[in-house]
Amino acid sequence: DTAVSQTPKYLVTQMGNDKSIKCEQNLGHDTMYWYKQDSKKFLKIMFSYNNKELIINETVPNRFSPKSPDKAHLNLHINSLELGDSAVYFCASSAGVETGELFFGEGSRLTVL
Amino acid sequence: GQNIDQPTEMTATEGAIVQINCTYQTSGFNGLFWYQQHAGEAPTFLSYNVLDGLEEKGRFSSFLSRSKGYSYLLLKELQMKDSASYLCAVVDSNYQLIWGAGTKLIIKP
Repeated sequence: DTAVSQTPKYLVTQMGNDKSIKCEQNLGHDTMYWYKQDSKKFLKIMFSYNNKELIINETVPNRFSPKSPDKAHLNLHINSLELGDSAVYFCASSAGVETGELFFGEGSRLTVL
Repeated sequence: GQNIDQPTEMTATEGAIVQINCTYQTSGFNGLFWYQQHAGEAPTFLSYNVLDGLEEKGRFSSFLSRSKGYSYLLLKELQMKDSASYLCAVVDSNYQLIWGAGTKLIIKP
């Protein structure tokens, strides 16, 4: 059973389009995250939700909008895609805000042409 | 500012031992993680240190010195499958994870 699953795994799209990445975890965790990993391999936190409530919102363009319909799901919608948005986006979850071990999804590689 | 430093790349020989260092300057400290990330895959948990000293787990060990802001990951009996990036991450006073850029470890036969 996949603990943290995200779809799609690969996404190729044109500049200016809108796209979504979905994430689901079946671990019963309270906290979910979206990370961006660029070509330099730095993992950058984008958003964190705890029990469907936003707790971390780093300096991310407002073209990026997370949505958490329930604590098992955290989706990421991106409007007006730009070339610089090309990266691998990882969803992750943890048991709680103060419980650091993260369980990552397989990643979604977004390529903007 | 908050900062995590680790070497960009290291090379080692199969069967040998390698030590990957991590130094940090963060606002507070609530633990340090090591993650392994194979190319094209997600990071996976290796170890967690919150108290000073050495934690051993099979071929992998992790050491922490809070007074020095320093940790290392020690890999013994290296295997080709250990070729990966190793990410150091520190939990700060707000319980946020601060990530290093990772150390790419290349294992040669």
